[in-house]
Amino acid sequence: AQKVTQAQTEISVVEKEDVTLDCVYETRDTTYYLFWYKQPPSGELVFLIRRNSFDEQNEISGRYSWNFQKSTSSFNFTITASQVVDSAVYFCALSEVWGAQKLVFGQGTRLTINP
Amino acid sequence: NAGVTQTPKFRVLKTGQSMTLLCAQDMNHEYMYWYRQDPGMGLRLIHYSVGEGTTAKGEVPDGYNVSRLKKQNFLLGLESAAPSQTSVYFCASSPNRGAGANVLTFGAGSRLTVL
Repeated sequence: AQKVTQAQTEISVVEKEDVTLDCVYETRDTTYYLFWYKQPPSGELVFLIRRNSFDEQNEISGRYSWNFQKSTSSFNFTITASQVVDSAVYFCALSEVWGAQKLVFGQGTRLTINP
Repeated sequence: NAGVTQTPKFRVLKTGQSMTLLCAQDMNHEYMYWYRQDPGMGLRLIHYSVGEGTTAKGEVPDGYNVSRLKKQNFLLGLESAAPSQTSVYFCASSPNRGAGANVLTFGAGSRLTVL
C-alpha cells in the first residue's frame, strides 16, 4: 500500500527565512509520481510540481526548490526567502503511473509566515 | 474555461437526510475523483471513475454512492447523512494520457455540515 507522511504538522517562521517541508513516502511500485500541492487560506488546491521516480534531479522554480532522494524515500520542499503570501497548507502526494492514477496525500503541513 | 465546478459550495444537513454533490468538468478529462478533507488527515479518496459509466471505491467509500452517467459529470450522494460525514469535499479530474496525465485539477470544494 502507498503511504505519505508529513511529520511537520505546523511550521511558523519570520518572513525572509528559508523553510523546508519534509515528505517521506512508502510504495512498492518501481515507478511512481510525487507531487506537491498548495492550499492557501481561500481553500482551493493548487498544483505545484510533479516528479517522476525516474528523475532524481533537484528542481528549482523561483524561490521554490524540491529535493528528491529515492534512497531515503523523501521528497522535500524548500521555500527560500519566504513571504507572507507563502502562508498555506502544503500537501505532498504520491500516485501510481498507470491505472487510475489515484493520489495518496500526506496529512499536510500548515506553514505560517509572519511579517 | 471553468475547469472543475462543484455545487453546492455549502450545505447544512440534519442526520438522516440525503443529498447529492455535483461535480462538472469542461476539460474532457477521462478520470474523476471525490476526496474528503478532514483536519489532520489530509485528503482521502472516497470514489473515483476512469470513464463514463464506470465507478470504483476508494479508501473511505462507506456511506457514499456515486454515478458518472455523462463524461463531464461525477455525482456524489449521501443517502442518510451522519455527523461523521461533516467534511470538506473536493472533486478532481485528470486526463488519462499526455503531458497532463496524473495531474489532478481540483474544484473549489464543498463544505458539508451534518447536525
